[in-house]
Amino acid sequence: DIQMTQSPSSLSASVGDRVTITCRASQNINTYLNWYQQKPGKAPKLLIHAASTLQSGVPSRFSGSGSGTDFVLTINDLQPEDFATYYCQQSYRILFTFGPGTTVDI
Amino acid sequence: QVQLQESGPGLVKPSQNMSLSCSVSGGSISSGSYYWSWIRQPAGKGLEWLGRIYVSGSTNYNPSLNTRVTISRDTSKNQVSLKLNSVTAADTAVYYCARIYCSPMTCYLDFWGQGIPVTVSS
Repeated sequence: DIQMTQSPSSLSASVGDRVTITCRASQNINTYLNWYQQKPGKAPKLLIHAASTLQSGVPSRFSGSGSGTDFVLTINDLQPEDFATYYCQQSYRILFTFGPGTTVDI
Repeated sequence: QVQLQESGPGLVKPSQNMSLSCSVSGGSISSGSYYWSWIRQPAGKGLEWLGRIYVSGSTNYNPSLNTRVTISRDTSKNQVSLKLNSVTAADTAVYYCARIYCSPMTCYLDFWGQGIPVTVSS
């Protein structure tokens, strides 16, 4: 299995801040990396696929970068609705695996 | 707009078999280049991919579940189903169905159901 790790596990931020979340894969996954946002009691929502492609309808303050084993999700100008948990997920192998999540709170 | 809705029992006794359904609207489960998958999330924990079924009916499963899991489909009802055998308390979780879109350079879960909580308890 491909193991996914994320750092930090949680962070505190303020409205207007720039936030960076890192995801690392246990082996090369090219750009088969997706990012999801999950709010309490809700299903995850796709933000970014193929490491850096913004899903339709997702605000441009979200961006992704990276390839191989190291990836970054950046949120510019953090908004109140962005306080949530963020997961990375690899789709390089049929067995999809997710990172443990990063919670962004106030 | 594709919509998915999970249904099934919210409480299952240990050692019993659990069956959940996912009704899909706004798209056919037997057309397009899509997979239909199940993911679960224990309370306060992360996401675990359980398996998927393709439009052709072929399936892939998470080896961690061994042979306990089966995903099937009913094209006449446009539904995908999950069966998990011999459940234990460790199977208590919110279960989600989701659509997977794949292209040569990317593969992602783009539409999700709202999730159904399942508790395994006597």
